[in-house]
Amino acid sequence: NAGVTQTPKFQVLKTGQSMTLQCAQDMNHNSMYWYRQDPGMGLRLIYYSASEGTTDKGEVPNGYNVSRLNKREFSLRLESAAPSQTSVYFCASSENRDTQYFGPGTRLTVL
Amino acid sequence: QKEVEQNSGPLSVPEGAIASLNCTYSDRGSQSFFWYRQYSGKSPELIMFIYSNGDKEDGRFTAQLNKASQYVSLLIRDSQPSDSATYLCAVIDTGGFKTIFGAGTRLFVKA
Repeated sequence: NAGVTQTPKFQVLKTGQSMTLQCAQDMNHNSMYWYRQDPGMGLRLIYYSASEGTTDKGEVPNGYNVSRLNKREFSLRLESAAPSQTSVYFCASSENRDTQYFGPGTRLTVL
Repeated sequence: QKEVEQNSGPLSVPEGAIASLNCTYSDRGSQSFFWYRQYSGKSPELIMFIYSNGDKEDGRFTAQLNKASQYVSLLIRDSQPSDSATYLCAVIDTGGFKTIFGAGTRLFVKA
């Protein structure tokens, strides 16, 4: 039982490049989330998926897209990376919108 | 904009003392409240949740909720150096889908 896994752990991009962050959970949770965490700003919700087949915008969705591929997997895509997207990205899952279980995070640097 | 406010700290307490962490929230309709602990470079993990007014105790941790004052607190008794971390207060909004996180309070427990 791995919980929530994320790939990659680290990534460096140049401005304008694209990439997809992968997230998978093996707890059979309905809800999945993508957050970014910047110093002094806590966790900010980018997108969430309340259940398989649905996705909704969070607090800071601009510049990102998501796909809920199936119940286990929820990916986050940066189409054209910008330095302002340098951050630590966390994926999380929960059952019934309750306690969230977080992945180990992806540290992204955009030059 | 729904908000969760925490004192960023750092809060420094000696080993064995009581650490008191506080949080206020703006969404009066919120019903679910959480405290997460985050060690440096790691992902958040749940410490406690509380739904009803009053106190909830779990080992050395006590969560306190006052919905009328829109106030949540976490008390850590007999603080240990291993408790040194950032503590995130989180509130599920009235709609029930989004969790709003505070920016966190850094706690240092001095041996």
